[in-house]
Amino acid sequence: ILNVEQSPQSLHVQEGDSTNFTCSFPSSNFYALHWYRWETAKSPEALFVMTLNGDEKKKGRISATLNTKEGYSYLYIKGSQPEDSATYLCAPLFNKFYFGSGTKLNVKP
Amino acid sequence: EAQVTQNPRYLITVTGKKLTVTCSQNMNHEYMSWYRQDPGLGLRQIYYSMNVEVTDKGDVPEGYKVSRKEKRNFPLILESPSPNQTSLYFCASSPEGGILYNEQFFGPGTRLTVL
Repeated sequence: ILNVEQSPQSLHVQEGDSTNFTCSFPSSNFYALHWYRWETAKSPEALFVMTLNGDEKKKGRISATLNTKEGYSYLYIKGSQPEDSATYLCAPLFNKFYFGSGTKLNVKP
Repeated sequence: EAQVTQNPRYLITVTGKKLTVTCSQNMNHEYMSWYRQDPGLGLRQIYYSMNVEVTDKGDVPEGYKVSRKEKRNFPLILESPSPNQTSLYFCASSPEGGILYNEQFFGPGTRLTVL
């Protein structure tokens, strides 16, 4: 069993706050890292696919970095909005996908 | 509309009664996968398929079967369901070029209860 840890498990912030969360995983033998956003009663939707070249990815107010040597990725949200409330999942790809249990973000207006 | 569809969306059944959850995608994707999601746990991969007639076990394949006879369909079969298979199931697909570079597109989910 391969351990993928996401922290914190949950986060409550005010509208306008910037926030970040972490995904940690074994650093050897992984090929890529996916980030997904999962709103309640919906399906997970992809945010980023991060490859081993380690480039930062950005989409609007959300960005992600990947440290391939030490096995972690950060997801940043700048100026959180209530519509950002969701669970954020990371999934490193080894010989198969292993998902973390997610960080649940609640943004209060 | 490009999408992944699953049927049924909700199912309540009894122990031992064989069932199939269908998954279909209209995007000509090569990679397809099944996951289950249980409270407090991340999505866990059951089976995946890199292409037609190519399937492989994920992290939790016990009690499940799959087939990939054609590109668009990837049904999940529970030959003899048990209560520990009560879960939320997602099917996902990914384009040609592979999951190294491409995101997965998820279906709407199937909530299964086995009594």
